[in-house]
Amino acid sequence: DSGVTQTPKHLITATGQRVTLRCSPRSGDLSVYWYQQSLDQGLQFLIQYYNGEERAKGNILERFSAQQFPDLHSELNLSSLELGDSALYFCASSVSGGSSYEQYFGPGTRLTVT
Amino acid sequence: DQQVKQNSPSLSVQEGRISILNCDYTNSMFDYFLWYKKYPAEGPTFLISISSIKDKNEDGRFTVFLNKSAKHLSLHIVPSQPGDSAVYFCAARGEYGNKLVFGAGTILRVKS
Repeated sequence: DSGVTQTPKHLITATGQRVTLRCSPRSGDLSVYWYQQSLDQGLQFLIQYYNGEERAKGNILERFSAQQFPDLHSELNLSSLELGDSALYFCASSVSGGSSYEQYFGPGTRLTVT
Repeated sequence: DQQVKQNSPSLSVQEGRISILNCDYTNSMFDYFLWYKKYPAEGPTFLISISSIKDKNEDGRFTVFLNKSAKHLSLHIVPSQPGDSAVYFCAARGEYGNKLVFGAGTILRVKS
């Protein structure tokens, strides 16, 4: 158990809909990262938040947005969903500062768009 | 643009023998490398990491080697155990923001 929690575990929805994925980081971690893993592919970085502020952006579609709240939990919002958005979405967290950069991953949310 | 490549989709090894998983990268600005293990229906689990100023890091049965001139790293597992069967991802720390760039993964099967 990494200490990172994600809800829901599974989500099935229709094209055009909007969903919200939730992540709670490990206690004390200020950074939250979102990754997408499509079928048979590696994890693709979407976005990072650090203590409530957006820190880095990757290949995140304009239809997707995220935020980190004062209690440090984060939400990833996916709208106007398309079939190709079906994937595993992982959240990770890490400590701030220091010389190590390990990220600890949650169990993921499997999104199926039908 | 695959900056981190794991060219072997799968690897099969006998229990007790050495498993060697390889990873190549193209971006010379990467300064930190990590290996993750992933079981089905779970998130990736951090295994071991190495800074670009080192060429070797060891943790129990796991050793990571880094060859900066060749832009190549490898993970050695000795001895391999059936419980090591999983997907192994190589990752590199990108630029500002500490994002990780992942390879596509290698499926390791350890046969008993």
